[in-house]
Amino acid sequence: KQEVTQIPAALSVPEGENLVLNCSFTDSAIYNLQWFRQDPGKGLTSLLLIQSSQREQTSGRLNASLDKSSGRSTLYIAASQPGDSATYLCAAPNSGNTPLVFGKGTRLSVIA
Amino acid sequence: GAVVSQHPSRVICKSGTSVKIECRSLDFQATTMFWYRQFPKQSLMLMATSNEGSKATYEQGVEKDKFLINHASLTLSTLTVTSAHPEDSSFYICSARVTGAHSYNEQFFGPGTRLTVL
Repeated sequence: KQEVTQIPAALSVPEGENLVLNCSFTDSAIYNLQWFRQDPGKGLTSLLLIQSSQREQTSGRLNASLDKSSGRSTLYIAASQPGDSATYLCAAPNSGNTPLVFGKGTRLSVIA
Repeated sequence: GAVVSQHPSRVICKSGTSVKIECRSLDFQATTMFWYRQFPKQSLMLMATSNEGSKATYEQGVEKDKFLINHASLTLSTLTVTSAHPEDSSFYICSARVTGAHSYNEQFFGPGTRLTVL
């Protein structure tokens, strides 16, 4: 059974810093991996999806990497802003047809 | 990206009543939708997989008679919490999976429904 772990659970950084959020998964036979953002009391916003054949994806200031062999993914946020403050979740299925398994998230606070 | 809506966004009800939550894919068809539950400061817990035209698949520990799921069309799945009790108070989120070429089975999530049972 897939297990997803995220470290750290919480992170506080000053505005402008570059930061890395970590995600690890136990079953490397994943179809893809998704990173989401969740604001308090809100649903999930999909940030990036990395296919199993890819090593990274970029969107604006966000870059997500995937290393299936080591069971790890990272989300890199460049030049952080207070508006980036949210909980970041990574999730992976075991295959295309199974539901996503979520990590517990990293709660990010960017201080102005 | 694809848009998923949920209705209502917030509901308060008395103990013993039933509450229906709708999940709609607005600009795509979804043969598969998922229902999740999230407690404060916790991650999402999968409750069930909703398949269009067939019975839902429930996760272990989730009572199918209490959480009724109907996926009658390719754009709508409903979750009915029957005889709700205070312990059912939670944030319920649905997602819909985009299938087909170039979709990579990406899931898009609704904005969630906050259920409070008094």
